[in-house]
Amino acid sequence: DSGVTQTPKHLITATGQRVTLRCSPRSGDLSVYWYQQSLDQGLQFLIHYYNGEERAKGNILERFSAQQFPDLHSELNLSSLELGDSALYFCASSKQTDTQYFGPGTRLTVL
Amino acid sequence: DQQVKQNSPSLSVQEGRISILNCDYTNSMFDYFLWYKKYPAEGPTFLISISSIKDKNEDGRFTVFLNKSAKHLSLHIVPSQPGDSAVYFCAASSISNYQLIWGAGTKLIIKP
Repeated sequence: DSGVTQTPKHLITATGQRVTLRCSPRSGDLSVYWYQQSLDQGLQFLIHYYNGEERAKGNILERFSAQQFPDLHSELNLSSLELGDSALYFCASSKQTDTQYFGPGTRLTVL
Repeated sequence: DQQVKQNSPSLSVQEGRISILNCDYTNSMFDYFLWYKKYPAEGPTFLISISSIKDKNEDGRFTVFLNKSAKHLSLHIVPSQPGDSAVYFCAASSISNYQLIWGAGTKLIIKP
């Protein structure tokens, strides 16, 4: 158990809908990262927050957004969902910017 | 531009033998390297890391070697066990940009 929690574990929705994925980092970790993994492909970095502020953006679509709250939990919002957005979404956390510890992921299925 | 490359999509090794997973990088600014292990439908698990001031780091059955001149690192697992069957990701970062850059992964299969 990495100490990073993600909810929900599974999410099934329809095209055009909007969903919110939630992540609680390990106790004391200030950094939260979001990744997407599609169909056994590699990990695609989406976005990094540090202590509430956006630090880096990767391959994140404009339809996607994230935020980190004062209690350090983070949410990833995915809107106008398309079939191709079906993937595993992972959250990771770290103390500052060192080794990242991953949550179990949220499996999103868009029908 | 793939800055971190794992050129072997898969590797099959006999149980008890040594598994060697390779990773190459192109960015000479990278100074911290990590290996993660991932089972299907689970989050990656941190295995071992190495900073650029070292050329070797060991943790139990896992050893990472770094060859800075060749921009190459490898993960050695010895002896290999059935539970080691997983996808292994190499990742790198630099002090100027803490974003981890990931390789595509190598699927390791340990044969009984």
